[in-house]
Amino acid sequence: AQSVAQPEDQVNVAEGNPLTVKCTYSVSGNPYLFWYVQYPNRGLQFLLKYITGDNLVKGSYGFEAEFNKSQTSFHLKKPSALVSDSALYFCAVRDVRYGGATNKLIFGTGTLLAVQP
Amino acid sequence: DAGVIQSPRHEVTEMGQEVTLRCKPISGHDYLFWYRQTMMRGLELLIYFNNNVPIDDSGMPEDRFSAKMPNASFSTLKIQPSEPRDSAVYFCASSKDSPPLHFGNGTRLTVT
Repeated sequence: AQSVAQPEDQVNVAEGNPLTVKCTYSVSGNPYLFWYVQYPNRGLQFLLKYITGDNLVKGSYGFEAEFNKSQTSFHLKKPSALVSDSALYFCAVRDVRYGGATNKLIFGTGTLLAVQP
Repeated sequence: DAGVIQSPRHEVTEMGQEVTLRCKPISGHDYLFWYRQTMMRGLELLIYFNNNVPIDDSGMPEDRFSAKMPNASFSTLKIQPSEPRDSAVYFCASSKDSPPLHFGNGTRLTVT
């Protein structure tokens, strides 16, 4: 079965410092990977996706993610954190059933990013 | 584009009552998803539709839960009877023929 793991419940970083939010995946076949952000009392907002091509994917709000097939990872990164980046971040993988990709996304447990001023 | 619209934003009800959550997906999106979010279980997919037809309802907790999509612009999730353990935030999301999914702002359900 497809799954993603976010090993850190919370990541703390000082404003202006680089940030990394970790995600590892387990899939059969080629992975379709996604990052979402959730602000308080809001729905999940799409940040970026990896389907194929360049291992470094750029997304919204200055975020990027690096796909690493050998380490089965898809870590979210930003060169310089802002206080306004503080939120809950979810990694997700597209589910595969009966050898074919579905439109269903399987989400990780989420990582709370706290950026201190 | 108004995005995915869910109503109500908050619902407080007593145990045993019927609860109906509503969702209007983004126009032109063929897929609609219902997710539930709790602290203990995170984000769980309850059911999803393609072209108004339920495709996978394996995440629906039990027979108290039902979902319908009578047309391309409207879906409901009903809980009857409701129980305190149903308290959660329920999200509706929609997509075109492939992800990403676009989420609504959710309905926070409290069952007392």
